[in-house]
Order: sequence, then C-alpha cells, then structure tokens
Amino acid sequence: GAVVSQHPSRVICKSGTSVKIECRSLDFQATTMFWYRQFPKQSLMLMATSNEGSKATYEQGVEKDKFLINHASLTLSTLTVTSAHPEDSSFYICSARVAGRFDEQYFGPGTRLTVT
Amino acid sequence: GENVEQHPSTLSVQEGDSAVIKCTYSDSASNYFPWYKQELGKRPQLIIDIRSNVGEKKDQRIAVTLNKTAKHFSLHITETQPEDSAVYFCAASWDNAGNMLTFGGGTRLMVKP
Repeated sequence: GAVVSQHPSRVICKSGTSVKIECRSLDFQATTMFWYRQFPKQSLMLMATSNEGSKATYEQGVEKDKFLINHASLTLSTLTVTSAHPEDSSFYICSARVAGRFDEQYFGPGTRLTVT
Repeated sequence: GENVEQHPSTLSVQEGDSAVIKCTYSDSASNYFPWYKQELGKRPQLIIDIRSNVGEKKDQRIAVTLNKTAKHFSLHITETQPEDSAVYFCAASWDNAGNMLTFGGGTRLMVKP
C-alpha cells in the first residue's frame, strides 16, 4: 500500500515552453501532497504544500506564477512549470501524506526535467 | 522555521562495520523524525522513523536514537552491507495541518566490500 506515481519520469523541453508533471496516489487518499526539487548531490527542497480543494502554500523564494500547482482530487496533484528555462532543470519529486495519518509521507519516483 | 543539519556529508565504512549518521534540529516543536534512503536517481524510501515520545527505535540492523533535550537524533546501521550504499537523509516535522518535512543535507554512505 501507499504507492505514489509520477508522470512523466523524464521530460526534455525547449526554453519558454511549459511542462506539466502529475503526481498520483494509487491506493490511498492524499489530502496533502508536497512538491520538492532536488539538484544533483543535494538535499530535497520543499517547494510547496498542496491541499486538495484549496490553493497551494508556497515556500519562500518559490514563484507561484511560475510553478503552478493544482490539487483537484484526493489522488492527483499537478505541477506545471511555466515558461521553463535551463535553470529550472532539476529532479522534481512529489510526496503524499495519507489522510488521517499525520506523519508519514510517501514519495513518488521523481521527474527529471531538462530544459534546453 | 525548522533547520536540520546532518553530518557527515560522506561516510565510508568497511563491510561489516557500523555506520552512524547524526542530525540536529532547531525547532523544539518538532516531534517526528524520519530517515530516508535514496539510491541514485530514485525516490527516497522511508527506512525508519521515531516520534518524540520515545528515545530509541530499532528495526533489525537499523536503529534511531533521539535526544529531545539536545535536539539531535542519530541513525545507526550495524553489520553494514554493500547494498546499504546510498544517500541517507534525516528530516524533522511537527504535527500541524501541513506536516511538512525539513530535510538534512544528506549523507553519502559507501560500504566497501
């Protein structure tokens, strides 16, 4: 149980285009999902917290107009990187918290974004 | 906000030896401390966690200790094996509506056969 999937696993896009990444909880309901960014050989940096049916809460320094997050259902959250630039190239990982269980988070497999 | 520091950043041990990774946190309100193992290009996997109402937890070769007074917690891996080689992250969070995790900087563990 507690499986989280992400799609796509890898994406290459041209500078200026937008990319959407999906995060799904496959066998549980996730009232809260988190989006992280991880640069090579570095730790996970929280970008935003996404609650179903409400606006995402962004961490300081994360542009909400650039990283659009939608959590439309209890099993799906999406991150759209708008007008992507090479510096947005990174490993993006989502995690989901099981509804009613406040501690544990389960991570998706990540999406490697390369902007050329 | 919470700040988690992790040491060492790299750790090399001989197969069969023990490995210890230490983390400190700043927010005394934190009460949940998970440890994740991340292999190259893969997702972080929860390997063990501890809540603030206990001081130690063990699961086979892995144990975690927590000192709330000093605000530090440690991961202990005994009888290390080559497959233990990975990056390990500690994290801290506290019960609130968000429960967001703050991660340490990571420790690259290399177990030499």
